[in-house]
Amino acid sequence: DSGVTQTPKHLITATGQRVTLRCSPRSGDLSVYWYQQSLDQGLQFLIQYYNGEERAKGNILERFSAQQFPDLHSELNLSSLELGDSALYFCASSVGSGADTEAFFGQGTRLTVV
Amino acid sequence: SQQGEEDPQALSIQEGENATMNCSYKTSINNLQWYRQNSGRGLVHLILIRSNEREKHSGRLRVTLDTSKKSSSLLITASRAADTASYFCATDGGSYIPTFGRGTSLIVHP
Repeated sequence: DSGVTQTPKHLITATGQRVTLRCSPRSGDLSVYWYQQSLDQGLQFLIQYYNGEERAKGNILERFSAQQFPDLHSELNLSSLELGDSALYFCASSVGSGADTEAFFGQGTRLTVV
Repeated sequence: SQQGEEDPQALSIQEGENATMNCSYKTSINNLQWYRQNSGRGLVHLILIRSNEREKHSGRLRVTLDTSKKSSSLLITASRAADTASYFCATDGGSYIPTFGRGTSLIVHP
């Protein structure tokens, strides 16, 4: 158990809908990263938050947004869902955001868009 | 886009044999990490090696880093069926964001 909790584990929704994925980082970790894993694209970095502030952005679509709350949990919002958004979404957390930072991953949320 | 690329894409060995996976990357890094992922599950952190380190050990794992060649290798010695998983390297490209390759799928036959 990595200490990172993601909910829900599975999500099935229709095209055009909006969903929210939730992540609770390990106790004491200030950084939260979001990744999308699909068969054709591999593991893609979406966005990072550090202590409530957006720190880095990757291949995140404009239809997607995220935030980190004062208690450090994070939510990833996916809207106007398309079939191609079906993927595993992972959250990872780390203590800091520097070079010695190990990232610990949650078990992921499997999103299926039908 | 992937920063690190693992090689081979797939590896099939017998229990007791050693497994070697390689990772090549393109830009300078601060650190490189190796992760394991069992099918459909989360990634498990295995080892982190800093850019100023050349070799690191953890149990049956040995990681080497050659920054001049922009490559790293992960050696699993005396493999077990339970080592069957996908293995990923993650480099930070100087930005401290772990960026993953597509992974090596390892199958260890009992």
